[in-house]
Amino acid sequence: DIQMTQSPSSLSASVGDRVTITCRASQGIRNDLDWFQQKPGKAPKCLMYAASTLKSGVPSRFSGSGSGTEFTLTISSLQPEDFATYYCLQYNKYPRTFGQGTKVEIK
Amino acid sequence: EMQLVESGGALVQPGGSLRLSCAASGFTFSNYWMDWVRQAPGKGLEWVANIKGDGSERYYVDSVKGRFTVSRDNTKNSLYLQMDSLRAEDTAIYYCSTALVDWGQGTLVTVSS
Repeated sequence: DIQMTQSPSSLSASVGDRVTITCRASQGIRNDLDWFQQKPGKAPKCLMYAASTLKSGVPSRFSGSGSGTEFTLTISSLQPEDFATYYCLQYNKYPRTFGQGTKVEIK
Repeated sequence: EMQLVESGGALVQPGGSLRLSCAASGFTFSNYWMDWVRQAPGKGLEWVANIKGDGSERYYVDSVKGRFTVSRDNTKNSLYLQMDSLRAEDTAIYYCSTALVDWGQGTLVTVSS
């Protein structure tokens, strides 16, 4: 199975900060990667697919990059509604595998 | 508007069975791969299974192979997950999703004696 490793596992940041989350794949996955946001008690929400394509309706402060084995999700200016847990997912091979999550908390 | 509504979650004893359903509306159901993803209490997301739009292909995570079966009825716009030989470690919220893009609200399965 392809292992997806996110870093950091958690971070504290302030409103307006630039935040970057990294996801590393144990083998090359081209750009077959999604990013999700999940708030407590809610279903995950897809933010990005194909590593860097923003899903319709997602604010432009979110951006993604990477290909192969290393990927990043960047929030250019953190907003109050962005405090949540973020997950990456690879869909290059079965089984699909998620990263362990990155919790973004208020500093 | 695309909508997915899961149902069927319950408390079940180890070794028991349960069938989850996901009712879809607002889109052409038969055109989409459908996925099941679960989340154990306080844990991360785990992909469980998926099925192609016409039902011709299905894939599973190893931990549920031989115990869970994903199926669909395109005439009823419904997705199913038959879960047999349930274990405590299957306790989770189960979400259905259209190819991991849009998601339902989830249904809770608790496996405990």
